[in-house]
Amino acid sequence: NAGVTQTPKFQVLKTGQSMTLQCAQDMNHEYMSWYRQDPGMGLRLIHYSVGAGITDQGEVPNGYNVSRSTTEDFPLRLLSAAPSQTSVYFCASSIGRNSANEQFFGPGTRLTVL
Amino acid sequence: AQKVTQAQTEISVVEKEDVTLDCVYETRDTTYYLFWYKQPPSGELVFLIRRNSFDEQNEISGRYSWNFQKSTSSFNFTITASQVVDSAVYFCALSEANTDKLIFGTGTRLQVFP
Repeated sequence: NAGVTQTPKFQVLKTGQSMTLQCAQDMNHEYMSWYRQDPGMGLRLIHYSVGAGITDQGEVPNGYNVSRSTTEDFPLRLLSAAPSQTSVYFCASSIGRNSANEQFFGPGTRLTVL
Repeated sequence: AQKVTQAQTEISVVEKEDVTLDCVYETRDTTYYLFWYKQPPSGELVFLIRRNSFDEQNEISGRYSWNFQKSTSSFNFTITASQVVDSAVYFCALSEANTDKLIFGTGTRLQVFP
């Protein structure tokens, strides 16, 4: 099993550009989530999904869109990047439909917005 | 609303010292789950332990132990005889059964010097 994979590992964007961070898992996990990690702020939940076709907002959803058309994939879209979105982004998944279970994290994507 | 506080931003110890990382949580739910994750310098997030709100037994795993006290809403983590390899950022996290959200504290950076 590859576990949770994220692409790209690094990305530099200009303000206003759009992009999609990819996340995939091969463990047949129902629950998937996106976090951003900033110095001194810990990990903050952006969006999460309890199954294909179901998504919901986390703590800091503004500026981000998600969709979950398959169990395996949970892409995160930035429609118009802003410098405040410079961060390290982690995708995670867990078995079951809620976050009561251990979450498996991807390696992260380091995003810089100029 | 759920909240996790890790008041210790950074702790430095010398190898073989014992160290305790504090975690205080807030929740209105009676059913919830508490977690500890480790983030070594390489950046990945590693699951250490999960505790549910009905299980107040302390847990010991090798040099690691966890003390869960509902009366003080705390879930503290102790490393006995610390080693340089324990150097990492440690995150405490809380999930309420009714919300499907896993919320992290801001983390404690532990540095263990030889």
